[in-house]
Amino acid sequence: RKEVEQDPGPFNVPEGATVAFNCTYSNSASQSFFWYRQDCRKEPKLLMSVYSSGNEDGRFTAQLNRASQYISLLIRDSKLSDSATYLCVVPRDSGYSTLTFGKGTMLLVSP
Amino acid sequence: DAGITQSPRHKVTETGTPVTLRCHQTENHRYMYWYRQDPGHGLRLIHYSYGVKDTDKGEVSDGYSVSRSKTEDFLLTLESATSSQTSVYFCAIRRDSQETQYFGPGTRLLVL
Repeated sequence: RKEVEQDPGPFNVPEGATVAFNCTYSNSASQSFFWYRQDCRKEPKLLMSVYSSGNEDGRFTAQLNRASQYISLLIRDSKLSDSATYLCVVPRDSGYSTLTFGKGTMLLVSP
Repeated sequence: DAGITQSPRHKVTETGTPVTLRCHQTENHRYMYWYRQDPGHGLRLIHYSYGVKDTDKGEVSDGYSVSRSKTEDFLLTLESATSSQTSVYFCAIRRDSQETQYFGPGTRLLVL
């Protein structure tokens, strides 16, 4: 298994839809993981962290399944502005000195 | 805003010429990183630094060198640019005591 795998998409959804992305990882003993968002031709920006207990921030919910080694991101009530590429990020070591980035999942929200 | 700037933002150069990209931070954090991002590959770590004069290689370090003589500046040098080094280069910092990284705006490099 590759270190971090994501479905590249694109996921095409209408406004107001709920959409979920999964990410599988290998070889990480870290306690927390991350989702970043990257707009076209822009830098990646932290969207949210993912802990063993999960994390919710408004319309966004992230879950971690350590036994199956996957991380999920759920977006409810999609907005046009949610259109972006979502990167799954896994620490390479417990000290978080370096991170491994997935190649990203593209989301396109249409009117 | 993590106070990261990159220069230049765009550069076109010819094969075989040396190129230096600069990353500057205003917050004096220990960790700084250089990544490249290419279609189909995602973000890949080139080199990183954990203090002045302390650097280590990432997964795609061949053809690149780095220097960090001051906390605030992290330089990436392509000694002799090749067309395969055409890419978007991102610098990142990790704030002390935090786990996540924050990125600069990127440098688009085209090697002809």
